[in-house]
Amino acid sequence: EVQLVESGGGLVQPGRSLRLSCAASGFIFDDYAMHWVRQAPGKGLEWISGISWNSGSIDYVDSVKGRFTISRDNAKNSLYLQMNSLRAEDTAFYYCARDPSSGELDFWGQGTLVTVSS
Amino acid sequence: QLVLTQSPSASASLGASVKLTCTLSSGHSNYAIAWHQQQPEKGPRYLVRLNSDGSHTKGDGIPDRFSGSSSGPERYLTISSLQSEDEADYYCQTWATGIRVFGGGTTLTVL
Repeated sequence: EVQLVESGGGLVQPGRSLRLSCAASGFIFDDYAMHWVRQAPGKGLEWISGISWNSGSIDYVDSVKGRFTISRDNAKNSLYLQMNSLRAEDTAFYYCARDPSSGELDFWGQGTLVTVSS
Repeated sequence: QLVLTQSPSASASLGASVKLTCTLSSGHSNYAIAWHQQQPEKGPRYLVRLNSDGSHTKGDGIPDRFSGSSSGPERYLTISSLQSEDEADYYCQTWATGIRVFGGGTTLTVL
């Protein structure tokens, strides 16, 4: 059974850091690109970052460039998102999603909530 | 700029059919998209990839009630024999080198 399980969310003060993890199972992890997508409360989906299967290609939406870093460890079947200099507007559910390198996100995790507040 | 446009809301009766629309921005009418469903309080679920020629590939376990079609810059998701569990938000998604783009989502109400 394919599974993506996010963890690491929580309440954090503005300006602080948080690291999210996504544990993958049930499929060959390094056959897939991976992405992080977030959803602010009551809002739509927003793609924020993607990484190719071998970490050779990494992309970010402008609003997180220079603050967030995506990475993966294929030996551990894990995806990460290091989030620094967090702002109130980063408050959202964060989802990891699988991409068979053809563009569509074909499997999603259940998400982890990040709340940035003093 | 690559943009997807969706109507904010739609409604249809239990047992009926509904057709949701996602429109690609000018100059991108040949792009493929994917449709995703998000039921209340749940993570998104991939439904189908839809190409510009109307060919499509569904996700694992997606019922035959869900189908896709295309016409020019418009991509459609048709849900037939509506059930109560189809009440959800539906997002279209596309891609280009280095980016993934989502439409604003359509909230479907099953009456």
